[in-house]
Amino acid sequence: GENVEQHPSTLSVQEGDSAVIKCTYSDSASNYFPWYKQELGKGPQLIIDIRSNVGEKKDQRIAVTLNKTAKHFSLHITETQPEDSAVYFCAANPTDSWGKFQFGAGTQVVVTP
Amino acid sequence: DGGITQSPKYLFRKEGQNVTLSCEQNLNHDAMYWYRQDPGQGLRLIYYSQIVNDFQKGDIAEGYSVSREKKESFPLTVTSAQKNPTAFYLCASSIAWEGNQPQHFGDGTRLSIL
Repeated sequence: GENVEQHPSTLSVQEGDSAVIKCTYSDSASNYFPWYKQELGKGPQLIIDIRSNVGEKKDQRIAVTLNKTAKHFSLHITETQPEDSAVYFCAANPTDSWGKFQFGAGTQVVVTP
Repeated sequence: DGGITQSPKYLFRKEGQNVTLSCEQNLNHDAMYWYRQDPGQGLRLIYYSQIVNDFQKGDIAEGYSVSREKKESFPLTVTSAQKNPTAFYLCASSIAWEGNQPQHFGDGTRLSIL
C-alpha cells in the first residue's frame, strides 16, 4: 500500500520568508497529490493539488512541485504572512484503492512577525 | 453555499453510551468519508462510502458504525465498544470515488468522555 512521509514536523519562519514542506510517497503509480491547510479547531481545507501529468503548479503565493522519479512532492509558500500559520497536510492516492488517501503526519508552520 | 455540515461541534459521551455524529453535504458528491484525528496526529480513515447504500471499513473501524441511506447524509455512530473515543472527527466528501478527485472536509466534531 501507499506510505506518505512528511517533513519537517514543525517549521518556524520569519514573516516574508519562504517555507518549504516535503512529502515522499511509496506507490510509483499514485497520480494525485493534494495539500491541505488546517487551522485550529477547523477541518482541513484544500489549498492546492497536482496530478502526475504535470511537474509544477502555482497559485499566487503557493506552489507545488512533483518529482515522479524520486517520488516526492513539495509545497512552497513565498512571502509568508502570519495568517499562513497552520498545520499543513500532504496526501497521495494509492492505486489499489483510489479514494483511500494516505495522509502525511502534518507540518505545524509558525510565521513570526 | 455548497458544503459539508457536521453537527454537533462538541459532544460528550458517558460510559456505555452510543453517540451519533451527523454529516450532511449538499455538493451532490457520491463518495463520503469519516476520519479520526488525535492531537498532533494525522488523519486515520474510519469508514468510507463510494456511493449511496454502500460503505466499507477503513483502517480503524472497530467500535464504529455508519449508514448511507441518502446520498447527502453519512452519520457515524461511536459505540460503547470504542474504548478510547476522545478525538476530533472529520467528515469529507468527493465528487466520485474513482480517479484523482479532491476530498472536501467539514469543520469536525470534537468528542469527549464525561
